[in-house]
Amino acid sequence: GQSLEQPSEVTAVEGAIVQINCTYQTSGFYGLSWYQQHDGGAPTFLSYNGLDGLEETGRFSSFLSRSDSYGYLLLQELQMKDSASYFCAVRDRGQGGKLIFGQGTELSVKP
Amino acid sequence: ETGVTQTPRHLVMGMTNKKSLKCEQHLGHNAMYWYKQSAKKPLELMFVYNFKEQTENNSVPSRFSPECPNSSHLFLHLHTLQPEDSALYLCASSQEVNSPLHFGNGTRLTVT
Repeated sequence: GQSLEQPSEVTAVEGAIVQINCTYQTSGFYGLSWYQQHDGGAPTFLSYNGLDGLEETGRFSSFLSRSDSYGYLLLQELQMKDSASYFCAVRDRGQGGKLIFGQGTELSVKP
Repeated sequence: ETGVTQTPRHLVMGMTNKKSLKCEQHLGHNAMYWYKQSAKKPLELMFVYNFKEQTENNSVPSRFSPECPNSSHLFLHLHTLQPEDSALYLCASSQEVNSPLHFGNGTRLTVT
């Protein structure tokens, strides 16, 4: 089977750096994605890691270690608008490559 | 504007009603999806359509019936639902099945 684990809640202050971890178990692995969802809104795609290493997109970076079945999303220079839920998701080769989501991490950014 | 439009935004229906959710994507994508999002649970994949053909039915009860008349439109027909079916139903599209998903804002469904 497959499973993803990420913390349910994280709190940080404006201007800080926060890391949201994700560990996964799959029967085959295509890649790790991250999505952001503001309350009442649509999930939006943030990043994708197919290979080991760090991918940077502005204030957000995502990291993958396939040998450790682990990845993280790093958010720098936090802003109030970054308060949202963040989901990691993996494509499971054993399930036809369909996208499996974690339960989400609710990030609260305080002034 | 997300490129994926869902209607209605909110729906309240009784257990004996029949209703339909509509999704339209303006992105020229080939794959479309229905996901269910319940409180405190991961997004659950329900159905996948690739080039209008259903390629995935994730053990969804028959009271949910998808329809994909063309690659831009996706429907979810609902009948004799249960209160536990109350959730946010999200439609998504992607260029190909392995591409990043673009989600709509969802339909908040309440079954009374």
